[in-house]
Amino acid sequence: QKEVEQDPGPLSVPEGAIVSLNCTYSNSAFQYFMWYRQYSRKGPELLMYTYSSGNKEDGRFTAQVDKSSKYISLFIRDSQPSDSATYLCATLNQAGTALIFGKGTTLSVSS
Amino acid sequence: EPEVTQTPSHQVTQMGQEVILRCVPISNHLYFYWYRQILGQKVEFLVSFYNNEISEKSEIFDDQFSVERPDGSNFTLKIRSTKLEDSAMYFCASRAMTTQETQYFGPGTRLLVL
Repeated sequence: QKEVEQDPGPLSVPEGAIVSLNCTYSNSAFQYFMWYRQYSRKGPELLMYTYSSGNKEDGRFTAQVDKSSKYISLFIRDSQPSDSATYLCATLNQAGTALIFGKGTTLSVSS
Repeated sequence: EPEVTQTPSHQVTQMGQEVILRCVPISNHLYFYWYRQILGQKVEFLVSFYNNEISEKSEIFDDQFSVERPDGSNFTLKIRSTKLEDSAMYFCASRAMTTQETQYFGPGTRLLVL
């Protein structure tokens, strides 16, 4: 069983739409969950992280973790063309020494 | 804002040649990482490094790979004898002592092995 699974999309939405990006993970011992944004041929950029279950909000972005279902979500409100990128979910391994990434979901926001 | 830098941005090499990829982590960070991303695939962990030694390495990080912190600012990844399948984007990352959840990535080095 893969440790972090993510639907690669692509996902296309009009400007202003609410976007929901999702991942599942396999190991219930994972505690830290991150969302990175990656533009084409660039390095991953940390958007936000959450610890254990719950929600975290940062401007138009909300990260949500449901540990009971091992489900990670990122919501983007009022999406903009500049949000067009690949979004990677990740978790920190139990030892805290390595990030485990999902495959990434490619998002395209059209104006 | 401080950032991780990597050189070169692109490298083309012949199979069997040695390559050294260089990284300058954020100056007050003490934990360093290398990841790679083969085109169209996941970002994969290679190795983590702290206090001048490897703290963890993945199955990918075999005897052909090595890492070094030759001075107070650089962190290098060496591939001794490159294979075609080593072609990938290689990312360096670093983090501060107290924030294990926030690794900052460099822009990457695109390695092409011919």
